Amino acid sequence: EPEVTQTPSHQVTQMGQEVILRCVPISNHLYFYWYRQILGQKVEFLVSFYNNEISEKSEIFDDQFSVERPDGSNFTLKIRSTKLEDSAMYFCASSLGGGETQYFGPGTRLLVL
Amino acid sequence: GENVEQHPSTLSVQEGDSAVIKCTYSDSASNYFPWYKQELGKRPQLIIDIRSNVGEKKDQRIAVTLNKTAKHFSLHITETQPEDSAVYFCAASKGTDKLIFGTGTRLQVFP
Repeated sequence: EPEVTQTPSHQVTQMGQEVILRCVPISNHLYFYWYRQILGQKVEFLVSFYNNEISEKSEIFDDQFSVERPDGSNFTLKIRSTKLEDSAMYFCASSLGGGETQYFGPGTRLLVL
Repeated sequence: GENVEQHPSTLSVQEGDSAVIKCTYSDSASNYFPWYKQELGKRPQLIIDIRSNVGEKKDQRIAVTLNKTAKHFSLHITETQPEDSAVYFCAASKGTDKLIFGTGTRLQVFP
């Protein structure tokens, strides 16, 4: 069964550094998402992406964040200048269509020191 | 915007008993309600979902009910087993894209 994959599984970075989190959505899916989960808390929506553009973003997704689909398979989340409060598990998800089931990747645990 | 509340935050049951987790949502335009199970350090995994055109859906030991008038939906797990122990999240969506999650319920099933 196809799955969403994410790399790296863990990333440790210094405050102020840039990080890029990578995701490979399920191959025939058209909608892509990033969510984050601070330790012990609920999953929070960051951004959705369809047809090579952002379709919706939350207030968390400020100017420090960007997303890109650089080729036909990868979907990336960039945090330009990381802050301590960016430490969280970041999940990528994909769905076949809008409103269809979203399948989550295994997550990238980001720790900002 | 949409707000999803979930209760209880923790639930402990004896193996074989039933477990019920309840969620309420605020936006009457929401029409898709999935439930995810998340084991420690793992990804959320969809276990069941329901759309607003049905009131109940069942899959083996798991069922979900939806009351659109009251804007609440519930997850029912029967004959619980130790491997059901996990954190369960409800979510709501207006059928376009983003999921709004509840705060989670930590279910512990004791043998």
